[in-house]
Amino acid sequence: SQQGEEDPQALSIQEGENATMNCSYKTSINNLQWYRQNSGRGLVHLILIRSNEREKHSGRLRVTLDTSKKSSSLLITASRAADTASYFCATALNTGTASKLTFGTGTRLQVTL
Amino acid sequence: EPEVTQTPSHQVTQMGQEVILRCVPISNHLYFYWYRQILGQKVEFLVSFYNNEISEKSEIFDDQFSVERPDGSNFTLKIRSTKLEDSAMYFCASRTSGKSGELFFGEGSRLTVL
Repeated sequence: SQQGEEDPQALSIQEGENATMNCSYKTSINNLQWYRQNSGRGLVHLILIRSNEREKHSGRLRVTLDTSKKSSSLLITASRAADTASYFCATALNTGTASKLTFGTGTRLQVTL
Repeated sequence: EPEVTQTPSHQVTQMGQEVILRCVPISNHLYFYWYRQILGQKVEFLVSFYNNEISEKSEIFDDQFSVERPDGSNFTLKIRSTKLEDSAMYFCASRTSGKSGELFFGEGSRLTVL
């Protein structure tokens, strides 16, 4: 079973629209993070939300976390063509000294003009 | 802005050959990681490294894999005898401190095993 599963797997929207991606996980977490990956490139950190937080904003990004449902959502408002990328949630567990991040399956976002 | 650098960007090798992928993490970071991503699939954890030893490793990280921090700057991943299924993008990542937090990723090394 996957620690992080995202839906939708793929999302196609027009520029200016909002994009919402969802992530579900299975175990207790320390925090949840969202990353962006342009095709063939490295992952770039977008935002981190701690387990005791419910909502966080950063620019056009809004992240929510519902620990009772073990789910998170990433909202990108007023999308731009440059937002086209894959978006991954990643969970950090409460155990371990150098706690790894476990990545979800990702959502491929396509923003068209 | 400090960044994680990886070399080579692309390596093609024959099955059974040894490969070393190199990473220079951000200088004041203390936690180091290798992840891999098979084309079109999810990013998978391989190994974490702290205080000059492996902290955790996944099932993928078998005896064919090893990591080293030979000096104060480089962090290497060695695959002793490559298999076809080792073909993937390998990402190095580092973090400054704390049990969890933002990871800074390199641009990756694409390994193609023929």
